[in-house]
Amino acid sequence: GAVVSQHPSWVICKSGTSVKIECRSLDFQATTMFWYRQFPKQSLMLMATSNEGSKATYEQGVEKDKFLINHASLTLSTLTVTSAHPEDSSFYICSARGAGVSYEQYFGPGTRLTVT
Amino acid sequence: GNSVTQMEGPVTLSEEAFLTINCTYTATGYPSLFWYVQYPGEGLQLLLKATKADDKGSNKGFEATYRKETTSFHLEKGSVQVSDSAVYFCALGGRQFYFGTGTSLTVIP
Repeated sequence: GAVVSQHPSWVICKSGTSVKIECRSLDFQATTMFWYRQFPKQSLMLMATSNEGSKATYEQGVEKDKFLINHASLTLSTLTVTSAHPEDSSFYICSARGAGVSYEQYFGPGTRLTVT
Repeated sequence: GNSVTQMEGPVTLSEEAFLTINCTYTATGYPSLFWYVQYPGEGLQLLLKATKADDKGSNKGFEATYRKETTSFHLEKGSVQVSDSAVYFCALGGRQFYFGTGTSLTVIP
């Protein structure tokens, strides 16, 4: 149980275009989803937290107009990188947390974005 | 505030050697502690967790004990295998997760 998927797993796009990454909780309802960014050989950096049906809360330094997050249902959150540039190339990982007292997060497999 | 300090790597061990990766934390309240493993090109997989002081998490031969007195959650394995080569992240979890910087482990035959 507690499986989180991401799609696509790998995407290449041209500079200036937008890319959408999906994060789905497959067997539980995710009241909260998190989006992380990971640079090579570095730790995860939390970008934003989203609760179903409400606006995402972005961490300091993360451009909300560039990284659009939508959490429209209890099983789906999307991250759209708008007007992507090469410096946006990174590994994006989502995680999901269900309702209840446990704060455990379940992580997706990640999406490798390369902007050319 | 909350934070995690993790032993820096990279760590290189011979197969069947003993592994310790140190992790200490600073936290308010009573967080849960986690170890995640990341294989090349993949996302994070939960390795083990402990939810309260003196709990021991264990999985696949790895162990870690939640030590409140030393604010530590060191990861240990008695005999590593080549397949254990990966990056290991210590994390402190509450409403938000705080990750250590990761420790790269390479096990050579």
